Amino acid sequence: QVQLQESGPGLVKPSQTLSLTCSVSGGSISSNDYYWGWIRQHPGKGLEWIGYIYYSGSTYYNPSLKSRVIISVDTSKNQFSLKLSSVTAADTAVYYCARVTVIHWYFDLWGRGTLVTVSS
Amino acid sequence: QSALTQPASVSGSPGQSITISCTGSSSDMSGYNYVSWYQQHPGKAPKLMIYDVINRPSGVSNRFSGSKSGNTVSLTISGLQAEDEADYYCSSYTSSSTWVFGGGTKLTVL
Repeated sequence: QVQLQESGPGLVKPSQTLSLTCSVSGGSISSNDYYWGWIRQHPGKGLEWIGYIYYSGSTYYNPSLKSRVIISVDTSKNQFSLKLSSVTAADTAVYYCARVTVIHWYFDLWGRGTLVTVSS
Repeated sequence: QSALTQPASVSGSPGQSITISCTGSSSDMSGYNYVSWYQQHPGKAPKLMIYDVINRPSGVSNRFSGSKSGNTVSLTISGLQAEDEADYYCSSYTSSSTWVFGGGTKLTVL
């Protein structure tokens, strides 16, 4: 079955760029039926939507993060990526990648999440 | 775009039913059509429990149900079990093609 797996550095220095990749296995990222998204969860807090991308490259971002976020897709590698620039300690969180169904607009499949800590 | 409103906590005894509410503006909740609910156990990824307000994905217990009344969407869990103890989040796809989550509700099974 389809699985998602986040990867990337667990520690990022303040002011630098956080970079994560989500690898999709067991299915094609180029499916017409899905978007691919990023959600984060600050320690002990709720979920915050970051953005999502279609295999064609169309993107939508959380307005509160839009100036610092870039989400991209690499269909040849069946992966999509998140870049968050100018990070601060407030960006310390567990970052999840997730699959979104096009018609019903829900997150039906999630990665296990990866903790990213912003600290010098 | 503001977070949807959920109670911080609810509790119930095994076998009882509980309801978790979720409220937001009509624009945030896309006319209340694309509201979904997620269960999250500690240290785990969220799991989809309800989508499109009332629909249950394959494999989710029929003890979980969703409903809508006015500008409030709700998740009801009947026949509470110890394994239901978790955090629950509502989420909605908005009219601006973005998502918004509720602040989360901690369910305690007494």
